[in-house]
Amino acid sequence: DTAVSQTPKYLVTQMGNDKSIKCEQNLGHDTMYWYKQDSKKFLKIMFSYNNKELIINETVPNRFSPKSPDKAHLNLHINSLELGDSAVYFCASSQGRGSNQPQHFGDGTRLSIL
Amino acid sequence: ILNVEQSPQSLHVQEGDSTNFTCSFPSSNFYALHWYRWETAKSPEALFVMTLNGDEKKKGRISATLNTKEGYSYLYIKGSQPEDSATYLCAFPTSARQLTFGSGTQLTVLP
Repeated sequence: DTAVSQTPKYLVTQMGNDKSIKCEQNLGHDTMYWYKQDSKKFLKIMFSYNNKELIINETVPNRFSPKSPDKAHLNLHINSLELGDSAVYFCASSQGRGSNQPQHFGDGTRLSIL
Repeated sequence: ILNVEQSPQSLHVQEGDSTNFTCSFPSSNFYALHWYRWETAKSPEALFVMTLNGDEKKKGRISATLNTKEGYSYLYIKGSQPEDSATYLCAFPTSARQLTFGSGTQLTVLP
């Protein structure tokens, strides 16, 4: 069984559209994350979400918003997509908000903006 | 701004060789140090989370050491195999407990 699953795996869309990427984890973890892999292949944290507490990286545009219907899901919604949003987005989860627990990653969603 | 630096950026070794790489991080306000292995077309996979100065962790042929006072961690691979080829990432939590990742060391093990 996949522990952290993201859908879709690939997303191709036009500039200006609104899109969502879904993430689900079946590990029973209480903290979930979204990362963006930038053009230099760095993994950059976008959000972490734990028990309804959202921590937002200050560099993330407010066109990006995470939505968590329950503890096992953290979806990423993006409004008014721009060319610079093209990247691979990774979801992850861990147990607890502390930094001493390993994170488990999904396989990534490759977003391409035309 | 927290900087996590890894060296070398890439490394080619022959099958059977042992190798090691370095992760440097700020030595103040230490919380933990994470190591991940990231194979091409897959997702990052946690290897170790280290929290104590002097910690040494081992998983099969891979081990890691931690020096929090001087701000570095070494990852060692003994008797490298082609399946060890991957990018090895280290990550350091910020004060908000979010991980800052290094750029990784890309290891290629030649048969």
